[in-house]
Amino acid sequence: DAGVIQSPRHEVTEMGQEVTLRCKPISGHNSLFWYRQTMMRGLELLIYFNNNVPIDDSGMPEDRFSAKMPNASFSTLKIQPSEPRDSAVYFCASSPVWGGGTEAFFGQGTRLTVV
Amino acid sequence: SQKIEQNSEALNIQEGKTATLTCNYTNYSPAYLQWYRQDPGRGPVFLLLIRENEKEKRKERLKVTFDTTLKQSLFHITASQPADSATYLCALPNDYKLSFGAGTTVTVRA
Repeated sequence: DAGVIQSPRHEVTEMGQEVTLRCKPISGHNSLFWYRQTMMRGLELLIYFNNNVPIDDSGMPEDRFSAKMPNASFSTLKIQPSEPRDSAVYFCASSPVWGGGTEAFFGQGTRLTVV
Repeated sequence: SQKIEQNSEALNIQEGKTATLTCNYTNYSPAYLQWYRQDPGRGPVFLLLIRENEKEKRKERLKVTFDTTLKQSLFHITASQPADSATYLCALPNDYKLSFGAGTTVTVRA
């Protein structure tokens, strides 16, 4: 398996523009997580899906952020409108069956720069 | 509030020595604790899991201890090599969430 695949790897956009980050989890994994990583705040969980259903989006910073998982093999994280403070590395991770100590498999991340 | 604290300073060690990293937590009652490695420009990669009823876990040159009384885990890299240079993160479960510490950056000098 190719692992968790994220696209794009790098994104530079202007403030106010819409940004869409994409993730393909590992086949057969039923849990999917979106994290954001910055120097100041480290790795923060934004949202968690189980079997394509959003379970908890309390980590989503504002209404400007939204996430979807239309099927088991695809998820998106959208920021509209984007702001410079959204600049960070965004990671998608998947897990076979969450709970009981299952490890999380991370993608390579998308480095977002909002200018 | 819940906190996960790792060595605040980066660790610089000589090749062949043992690196010891600390993960302290408050207001958690984890059934297990995980350690991940992160290289620059890459996502974290799982290394080891230790359960609350396990005192110690080993994997090759890595050793993890877990003291639920002290609320602390220690992560050891023995016979360190330059290839071990990376950031190491501890992670604790909280319901369905996996919360991470800030990480400790280890640099092994040849």
